[in-house]
Amino acid sequence: TQLLEQSPQFLSIQEGENLTVYCNSSSVFSSLQWYRQEPGEGPVLLVTVVTGGEVKKLKRLTFQFGDARKDSSLHITAAQPGDTGLYLCAGPYNQAGTALIFGKGTTLSVSS
Amino acid sequence: DADVTQTPRNRITKTGKRIMLECSQTKGHDRMYWYRQDPGLGLQLIYYSFDVKDINKGEISDGYSVSRQAQAKFSLSLESAIPNQTALYFCATSDPGQGASLFFGQGTRLTVV
Repeated sequence: TQLLEQSPQFLSIQEGENLTVYCNSSSVFSSLQWYRQEPGEGPVLLVTVVTGGEVKKLKRLTFQFGDARKDSSLHITAAQPGDTGLYLCAGPYNQAGTALIFGKGTTLSVSS
Repeated sequence: DADVTQTPRNRITKTGKRIMLECSQTKGHDRMYWYRQDPGLGLQLIYYSFDVKDINKGEISDGYSVSRQAQAKFSLSLESAIPNQTALYFCATSDPGQGASLFFGQGTRLTVV
């Protein structure tokens, strides 16, 4: 079973600041996904990265998959209160890639 | 209507009682999953199923069982509930293939007293 470590666990910033959250593993992942969860809701997919070194952008969010496919990062530029939520990375549960496991998440709070 | 519907949304039960959480979906996906979420622990995979005849244990299956009654229905049972099973439970579905998105229900908040 592969494990995903996320850091930091909590992040509280002011509107307009930049931030980066990390997802690391000692194992190689064939792909990684990032989800965002708001209170009272289930997680919603933001992005999937599959190629080592891949960078994907989603408006003010930039996602990177490490060259060795053991880590990923999420960078938010000029954070807004609407970015507040729990950010979760997820990867295949086993080598067969048949289900997803999640990291413990980063709780982001952006105040105006 | 939600694509993935969980019932009940909230439930309080007593230690030792049997309880079933239900999930139904209209997305037409073959793959269904049950996850548990505790504060600070993210989502932990309990069981998953890739079709009606396929059931697989996840990271934390002890104390839980599942039934895939139809393509659209996947239920989670706690045979004898205990307080440390108090958590938020999510059902999810997906298309096959790596990289496919999970689509989650709105969760069932279960409290065992």
